[in-house]
Amino acid sequence: GAGVSQSPSNKVTEKGKDVELRCDPISGHTALYWYRQSLGQGLEFLIYFQGNSAPDKSGLPSDRFSAERTGGSVSTLTIQRTQQEDSAVYLCASSRTPREAFFGQGTRLTVV
Amino acid sequence: AQKVTQAQTEISVVEKEDVTLDCVYETRDTTYYLFWYKQPPSGELVFLIRRNSFDEQNEISGRYSWNFQKSTSSFNFTITASQVVDSAVYFCALSDPNTGNQFYFGTGTSLTVIP
Repeated sequence: GAGVSQSPSNKVTEKGKDVELRCDPISGHTALYWYRQSLGQGLEFLIYFQGNSAPDKSGLPSDRFSAERTGGSVSTLTIQRTQQEDSAVYLCASSRTPREAFFGQGTRLTVV
Repeated sequence: AQKVTQAQTEISVVEKEDVTLDCVYETRDTTYYLFWYKQPPSGELVFLIRRNSFDEQNEISGRYSWNFQKSTSSFNFTITASQVVDSAVYFCALSDPNTGNQFYFGTGTSLTVIP
Protein backbone atom coordinates (compact mmCIF):
# COMPACT_ATOMS: atom_id res chain seq x y z
CA GLY A 1 0.00 0.00 0.00
CA ALA A 2 0.89 3.64 -0.18
CA GLY A 3 1.23 4.18 3.55
CA VAL A 4 1.86 2.43 6.84
CA SER A 5 -1.07 0.18 7.65
CA GLN A 6 -1.99 -0.94 11.14
CA SER A 7 -4.58 -3.46 12.19
CA PRO A 8 -6.89 -3.63 13.93
CA SER A 9 -7.79 0.04 14.21
CA ASN A 10 -9.57 -0.64 17.48
CA LYS A 11 -9.26 -3.51 19.90
CA VAL A 12 -11.16 -4.11 23.11
CA THR A 13 -9.90 -6.96 25.22
CA GLU A 14 -10.45 -8.37 28.66
CA LYS A 15 -7.80 -8.00 31.30
CA GLY A 16 -5.48 -10.97 31.28
CA LYS A 17 -5.92 -11.81 27.60
CA ASP A 18 -3.13 -11.64 25.03
CA VAL A 19 -3.36 -9.29 22.04
CA GLU A 20 -1.47 -8.96 18.78
CA LEU A 21 -1.15 -5.70 16.91
CA ARG A 22 0.02 -5.68 13.32
CA CYS A 23 1.99 -3.16 11.31
CA ASP A 24 2.57 -3.23 7.56
CA PRO A 25 5.30 -0.70 6.76
CA ILE A 26 5.80 1.07 3.49
CA SER A 27 7.47 -1.25 1.02
CA GLY A 28 11.23 -0.86 1.01
CA HIS A 29 11.44 0.87 4.38
CA THR A 30 14.14 -0.80 6.41
CA ALA A 31 13.38 0.88 9.72
CA LEU A 32 10.25 0.23 11.74
CA TYR A 33 9.23 1.76 15.06
CA TRP A 34 6.55 1.09 17.64
CA TYR A 35 5.38 3.84 19.96
CA ARG A 36 2.69 4.00 22.61
CA GLN A 37 0.58 7.04 23.32
CA SER A 38 -1.55 6.99 26.44
CA LEU A 39 -4.52 9.34 26.62
CA GLY A 40 -3.34 12.92 26.55
CA GLN A 41 0.30 11.89 26.69
CA GLY A 42 3.27 12.08 24.37
CA LEU A 43 4.90 9.35 22.36
CA GLU A 44 6.57 6.59 24.35
CA PHE A 45 9.18 4.67 22.41
CA LEU A 46 8.76 0.91 22.59
CA ILE A 47 10.97 -0.83 20.03
CA TYR A 48 12.95 -0.14 16.88
CA PHE A 49 13.89 -2.48 14.04
CA GLN A 50 16.54 -1.61 11.47
CA GLY A 51 17.15 -4.05 8.66
CA ASN A 52 18.71 -7.26 9.91
CA SER A 53 20.22 -5.70 13.00
CA ALA A 54 19.18 -6.73 16.48
CA PRO A 55 16.19 -4.61 17.50
CA ASP A 56 16.44 -1.89 20.11
CA LYS A 57 14.01 -3.16 22.75
CA SER A 58 15.00 -0.65 25.38
CA GLY A 59 11.56 0.96 25.47
CA LEU A 60 9.49 -2.14 26.15
CA PRO A 61 7.84 -1.51 29.54
CA SER A 62 7.79 -5.11 30.75
CA ASP A 63 8.43 -8.67 29.68
CA ARG A 64 4.75 -8.95 28.78
CA PHE A 65 5.58 -6.94 25.68
CA SER A 66 7.37 -8.42 22.69
CA ALA A 67 7.65 -7.66 19.00
CA GLU A 68 8.75 -9.44 15.88
CA ARG A 69 9.47 -8.35 12.39
CA THR A 70 9.27 -11.11 9.83
CA GLY A 71 11.21 -10.95 6.59
CA GLY A 72 12.15 -7.37 7.22
CA SER A 73 8.59 -6.27 6.55
CA VAL A 74 5.48 -6.90 8.65
CA SER A 75 5.79 -6.45 12.39
CA THR A 76 3.64 -7.79 15.21
CA LEU A 77 3.55 -6.32 18.69
CA THR A 78 2.31 -8.81 21.26
CA ILE A 79 1.09 -7.94 24.72
CA GLN A 80 0.57 -10.88 27.03
CA ARG A 81 -1.74 -10.91 30.05
CA THR A 82 -2.99 -7.42 29.29
CA GLN A 83 -3.52 -4.95 32.11
CA GLN A 84 -5.70 -1.86 32.22
CA GLU A 85 -2.65 0.37 32.13
CA ASP A 86 -1.85 -1.08 28.70
CA SER A 87 -4.81 0.84 27.29
CA ALA A 88 -3.39 3.32 24.79
CA VAL A 89 -2.96 4.04 21.12
CA TYR A 90 -0.13 2.01 19.64
CA LEU A 91 1.53 3.74 16.70
CA CYS A 92 3.80 2.21 14.13
CA ALA A 93 6.14 4.15 11.86
CA SER A 94 8.54 3.19 9.10
CA SER A 95 11.37 4.96 7.34
CA ARG A 96 13.93 4.33 4.65
CA THR A 97 16.33 7.06 5.59
CA PRO A 98 16.87 9.19 8.67
CA ARG A 99 15.20 12.01 6.82
CA GLU A 100 11.60 11.15 7.59
CA ALA A 101 9.32 8.66 9.24
CA PHE A 102 5.78 7.84 8.19
CA PHE A 103 3.18 6.90 10.74
CA GLY A 104 0.19 4.62 10.58
CA GLN A 105 -3.21 5.52 11.94
CA GLY A 106 -2.57 3.57 15.11
CA THR A 107 -4.39 0.84 17.01
CA ARG A 108 -6.51 1.98 19.92
CA LEU A 109 -6.31 -0.71 22.58
CA THR A 110 -8.80 -0.75 25.43
CA VAL A 111 -8.38 -3.25 28.24
CA VAL A 112 -11.54 -3.76 30.28
CA ALA B 1 22.55 10.46 24.63
CA GLN B 2 19.97 11.83 22.25
CA LYS B 3 17.04 13.62 23.77
CA VAL B 4 14.30 16.02 22.73
CA THR B 5 12.59 18.27 25.25
CA GLN B 6 9.34 20.11 24.73
CA ALA B 7 8.87 21.97 27.98
CA GLN B 8 5.44 23.34 27.09
CA THR B 9 2.84 20.68 27.78
CA GLU B 10 -0.23 22.71 26.87
CA ILE B 11 -0.75 26.11 25.28
CA SER B 12 -3.97 28.00 24.66
CA VAL B 13 -4.19 31.04 22.44
CA VAL B 14 -7.00 33.09 21.00
CA GLU B 15 -7.50 32.87 17.28
CA LYS B 16 -5.24 35.19 15.25
CA GLU B 17 -2.59 35.33 17.95
CA ASP B 18 0.92 34.17 17.16
CA VAL B 19 2.30 31.22 19.10
CA THR B 20 5.74 29.67 19.39
CA LEU B 21 6.33 26.05 20.33
CA ASP B 22 9.71 25.37 21.87
CA CYS B 23 11.97 22.41 21.19
CA VAL B 24 15.39 21.77 22.68
CA TYR B 25 17.48 18.78 21.68
CA GLU B 26 20.59 16.98 22.82
CA THR B 27 23.02 15.06 20.68
CA ARG B 28 26.76 14.64 20.56
CA ASP B 29 26.78 14.15 16.83
CA THR B 30 27.33 16.77 14.17
CA THR B 31 25.05 15.17 11.59
CA TYR B 32 21.42 14.86 12.48
CA TYR B 33 17.91 15.81 11.38
CA LEU B 34 15.19 17.70 13.21
CA PHE B 35 11.48 17.40 12.58
CA TRP B 36 8.11 18.73 13.54
CA TYR B 37 4.99 16.59 13.31
CA LYS B 38 1.37 17.57 13.86
CA GLN B 39 -1.18 15.25 15.43
CA PRO B 40 -4.72 16.56 14.90
CA PRO B 41 -7.64 15.12 16.87
CA SER B 42 -8.00 12.42 14.23
CA GLY B 43 -4.80 10.91 15.64
CA GLU B 44 -2.51 10.47 12.65
CA LEU B 45 0.89 12.12 12.84
CA VAL B 46 1.48 14.43 9.92
CA PHE B 47 4.98 15.42 8.86
CA LEU B 48 5.48 19.20 8.76
CA ILE B 49 9.16 19.92 8.28
CA ARG B 50 12.66 18.47 8.33
CA ARG B 51 15.94 20.33 8.81
CA ASN B 52 19.43 18.89 8.62
CA SER B 53 22.11 19.96 11.02
CA PHE B 54 24.16 21.73 8.38
CA ASP B 55 21.41 24.06 7.30
CA GLU B 56 20.57 26.72 9.85
CA GLN B 57 18.59 28.83 7.45
CA ASN B 58 15.19 29.54 8.89
CA GLU B 59 12.20 28.49 6.87
CA ILE B 60 8.78 29.97 6.35
CA SER B 61 5.84 28.15 4.87
CA GLY B 62 2.69 30.21 4.85
CA ARG B 63 1.76 30.89 8.47
CA TYR B 64 4.39 28.46 9.74
CA SER B 65 8.01 29.32 10.42
CA TRP B 66 10.87 27.47 12.04
CA ASN B 67 13.89 28.89 13.86
CA PHE B 68 16.85 26.50 14.04
CA GLN B 69 19.72 27.63 16.29
CA LYS B 70 22.59 25.21 16.82
CA SER B 71 24.17 27.51 19.41
CA THR B 72 21.24 26.90 21.74
CA SER B 73 20.28 23.45 20.39
CA SER B 74 16.80 24.69 19.67
CA PHE B 75 14.35 24.22 16.84
CA ASN B 76 11.34 26.36 17.60
CA PHE B 77 8.12 26.46 15.61
CA THR B 78 5.99 29.58 15.23
CA ILE B 79 2.45 29.76 13.95
CA THR B 80 1.44 33.24 12.87
CA ALA B 81 -2.20 34.35 13.01
CA SER B 82 -3.32 31.06 14.53
CA GLN B 83 -6.53 29.40 13.43
CA VAL B 84 -8.83 26.90 15.08
CA VAL B 85 -7.62 24.24 12.64
CA ASP B 86 -4.15 24.59 14.14
CA SER B 87 -5.43 22.96 17.33
CA ALA B 88 -3.43 19.76 17.67
CA VAL B 89 -0.56 18.14 19.47
CA TYR B 90 2.79 19.06 17.97
CA PHE B 91 5.83 16.83 18.30
CA CYS B 92 9.45 17.73 17.77
CA ALA B 93 11.83 14.92 16.84
CA LEU B 94 15.49 14.20 16.19
CA SER B 95 16.94 11.49 14.01
CA ASP B 96 20.56 10.55 14.12
CA PRO B 97 22.24 8.53 11.38
CA ASN B 98 24.97 7.63 13.83
CA THR B 99 22.55 5.65 15.98
CA GLY B 100 20.99 3.63 13.23
CA ASN B 101 18.62 6.33 12.07
CA GLN B 102 16.50 6.05 15.16
CA PHE B 103 13.94 8.78 15.77
CA TYR B 104 13.69 10.47 19.17
CA PHE B 105 10.47 12.30 19.94
CA GLY B 106 9.63 14.95 22.47
CA THR B 107 6.58 14.49 24.65
CA GLY B 108 4.56 16.92 22.57
CA THR B 109 2.84 20.27 23.06
CA SER B 110 -0.93 20.41 22.97
CA LEU B 111 -2.07 23.60 21.26
CA THR B 112 -5.63 24.83 21.60
CA VAL B 113 -6.73 27.78 19.50
CA ILE B 114 -9.83 29.40 20.94
CA PRO B 115 -12.22 31.00 18.47
